Amino acid sequence: RKEVEQDPGPFNVPEGATVAFNCTYSNSASQSFFWYRQDCRKEPKLLMSVYSSGNEDGRFTAQLNRASQYISLLIRDSKLSDSATYLCVVNFFILTGGGNKLTFGTGTQLKVEL
Amino acid sequence: NAGVTQTPKFQVLKTGQSMTLQCAQDMNHNSMYWYRQDPGMGLRLIYYSASEGTTDKGEVPNGYNVSRLNKREFSLRLESAAPSQTSVYFCASSLDSLLYTGELFFGEGSRLTVL
Repeated sequence: RKEVEQDPGPFNVPEGATVAFNCTYSNSASQSFFWYRQDCRKEPKLLMSVYSSGNEDGRFTAQLNRASQYISLLIRDSKLSDSATYLCVVNFFILTGGGNKLTFGTGTQLKVEL
Repeated sequence: NAGVTQTPKFQVLKTGQSMTLQCAQDMNHNSMYWYRQDPGMGLRLIYYSASEGTTDKGEVPNGYNVSRLNKREFSLRLESAAPSQTSVYFCASSLDSLLYTGELFFGEGSRLTVL
């Protein structure tokens, strides 16, 4: 089982739609969670962190469910410019040896259409 | 605002050739990383340098070596390229520990093809 799993999509939605992505993680020692955005043939960029209480940044809402080990990203009022791949990222302690490890999901592709 | 700069952006190699990918950051970050990204797989960590003077293996270090030349620069070397190393390589940096901020700043990527 992959440490971080995402539906690869693509999700094709009309402009103005609401779309949600989920991401599951397998390591219960996971400590922090993030969503990154990657445009086609570009580098990933941090979109937002995901907090236990849930958090919102404009049209974007991120949620964390530790009991079920998943995080979600909701995009409201989709814009053409939201078309990208969204990467789920999980950070967890390495129990033996210490340190931490950042694990990337394979990404979910979103295409927003007119 | 240069951020993280990596060179070259594109490279084609023949099997067995060697090359070095260069990376430099101007944000005074302590930690630097090399990732590779392949279709259907998430970004995978090759090597990282938590601070100047230290380097450690990531998930997929075989076939690669790194040098943290100074605080700004972190290079990745392929000693004898293999077709399995065809990939997009990203250099990244972070201020310090990723544990809570999780913010990596990536370079634009280097597309490497090994024939």
